[in-house]
Amino acid sequence: EVQLVESGGVVVQPGGSLRLSCAASGFTFDDYAMHWVRQAPGKGLEWVSLISWDGGSTYYADSVKGRFTISRDNSKNSLYLQMNSLRAEDTALYYCAKDIMDSGEYYFDYWGQGTLVTVSS
Amino acid sequence: EIVMTQSPATLSVSPGERATLSCRASQSVSSNLAWYQQKPGQAPRLLIYGASTRATGIPARFSGSGSGTEFTLTISSLQSEDFAVYYCQQRRTFGQGTKVEIK
Repeated sequence: EVQLVESGGVVVQPGGSLRLSCAASGFTFDDYAMHWVRQAPGKGLEWVSLISWDGGSTYYADSVKGRFTISRDNSKNSLYLQMNSLRAEDTALYYCAKDIMDSGEYYFDYWGQGTLVTVSS
Repeated sequence: EIVMTQSPATLSVSPGERATLSCRASQSVSSNLAWYQQKPGQAPRLLIYGASTRATGIPARFSGSGSGTEFTLTISSLQSEDFAVYYCQQRRTFGQGTKVEIK
């Protein structure tokens, strides 16, 4: 059974930093690209970032480019999102999502339950 | 940047009836389109990808069609568990969602 379990979400002050983690199991982690997708409270879905199967390619939404860094450790079946210079508008539930392909087709066939990041003073 | 527009915002349907949800792209996206279902307090669930391919385990009452700029998700006979919010997605961009509620 595929499982994605996010962690690391907390309340953080504007300008602060945070690192989210996603532990994957039930599939061959290094065969697939992975994504972060977020959802502000009561709002729709927003794609955040993509990393290819080997970590060699990364992509970001304009709203987070230069502030967030996606990475993965295939030896630990784990995905990460380093979030710096956090803003109030980054407040959201952050989902880890598996792509259906290795390089990234932007089709997300499995999702975690999300970890909540709140940016507030 | 491609904009995805879903209509209607809310669809009221009786159980057993057909539901038709629309998604329009601001420019052609070929068949690069997915549909997701999200229930309250749950993560989204992939229903359709490639505009018309059902994801693993998705019931046959869900079907997708369209290409270019106009896409449709059809639920042939609504079951109680189908009342939810539905999002279309083209690569990095999601539509704003259609809420399917009980009439």
